[in-house]
Amino acid sequence: GAVVSQHPSWVICKSGTSVKIECRSLDFQATTMFWYRQFPKQSLMLMATSNEGSKATYEQGVEKDKFLINHASLTLSTLTVTSAHPEDSSFYICSARNDATNEKLFFGSGTQLSVL
Amino acid sequence: GNSVTQMEGPVTLSEEAFLTINCTYTATGYPSLFWYVQYPGEGLQLLLKATKADDKGSNKGFEATYRKETTSFHLEKGSVQVSDSAVYFCALVIQGAQKLVFGQGTRLTINP
Repeated sequence: GAVVSQHPSWVICKSGTSVKIECRSLDFQATTMFWYRQFPKQSLMLMATSNEGSKATYEQGVEKDKFLINHASLTLSTLTVTSAHPEDSSFYICSARNDATNEKLFFGSGTQLSVL
Repeated sequence: GNSVTQMEGPVTLSEEAFLTINCTYTATGYPSLFWYVQYPGEGLQLLLKATKADDKGSNKGFEATYRKETTSFHLEKGSVQVSDSAVYFCALVIQGAQKLVFGQGTRLTINP
């Protein structure tokens, strides 16, 4: 079946550093990918919609300069948390829409980010 | 706005017990409803879905019925197994939109 690989699965970093998270669709093409964030005991919240070859669309309240999204190919989107702070510590998860079927969404396994 | 509320976990049951995980929603349009499951170390997987009122989604022994009158989509299984231990997410999408709105997830642990 369709697989989305998300890497790394967990990362610990110092405050002020930047962290890059990768989301790859392994056996299908995905023009559209989505980035979600989940704080403890809260819902998965959509942060942004990543579109191959164009700028990402950010949800209200999400800082585009802090959460940089690059979707340079049909199989890879990256989320970079710039100048991370402890309040950015969260679980980040991506999903990819299969271009062939358009309906189905496939999710990565998530990245747990801890900022010290 | 659109939102999903799930019963708070964690939920711990013995094998072969009956499972219900409650999910209610508010929506401005006509939503499709979903249950996703996340097994340890894996991504979210679609478990079942229903696209209109009174539809019943089912998969792997799990069922959920789209109840418009109570704005609910409760997940049920008659006899759970240890392998059902996972986090379950209820979600909706307004038809025509791309955005999934998730509940907070319910962690389920089944003891042998």
